[in-house]
Amino acid sequence: QSALTQPASVSGSPGQSITISCTGTSSDVGTYALVSWYQQHPGKAPKLIIYEGSKRPSGVPNRFSGSESGNTASLTISGLQAEDEADYYCCSYAGSSTWVFGGGTKLTVL
Amino acid sequence: EVQLVQSGAEVREPGESLKISCKVSGYHFDGYWIGWARQVPGRGLEWMGIIFPAGSDARYSPSFQGQVTISADISITTAYLQWSSLKASDTAMYYCARFSSATFAAPQFDPWGQGTLVTVSS
Repeated sequence: QSALTQPASVSGSPGQSITISCTGTSSDVGTYALVSWYQQHPGKAPKLIIYEGSKRPSGVPNRFSGSESGNTASLTISGLQAEDEADYYCCSYAGSSTWVFGGGTKLTVL
Repeated sequence: EVQLVQSGAEVREPGESLKISCKVSGYHFDGYWIGWARQVPGRGLEWMGIIFPAGSDARYSPSFQGQVTISADISITTAYLQWSSLKASDTAMYYCARFSSATFAAPQFDPWGQGTLVTVSS
């Protein structure tokens, strides 16, 4: 059971859009395409920002959006703000009552 | 308000045992699965296991099966993660989180506890 593949880092300027990919296999993302995404600021606990691939919990700005295609899920943040600088993780079911996280992506707002 | 409050930081020597806790409030404890995740300093999240408090049905990641034990006490709405013999490589932050989805296939770990830092050093 390997971690889902995410880019180690992405960056963007305030107001721009960025996309973080999360690539799995036919054993996880490709079959159970209801990925969730988590935001983690330094020294803080993770926070759910996207579930079921594209849904946002109450209170999460609509600047955050999710999509899925094949073995890859994506998180897009539009209108980047300084407070979006954080680590982001995807998570997928991997069958047999197990789940797998992505390796994490560090977002830098320039 | 749903809250998961974890026990404080721990320092242990290799070979010692340890049990950390996750106290839940604000919802029916026996109605949701509770998961545990590890985060080694400077590294990513790793899913460890999950438990359904009613019946204490625990499932483990293959990577952590046999290395840790997950349990729960419904009477005090608390979940636990324990080790019988710690290793230096167990040094990490450990988080509990409520599994808020109705289906395993759509993971929603929300909310999360604040984390418990475990340091294993001689």
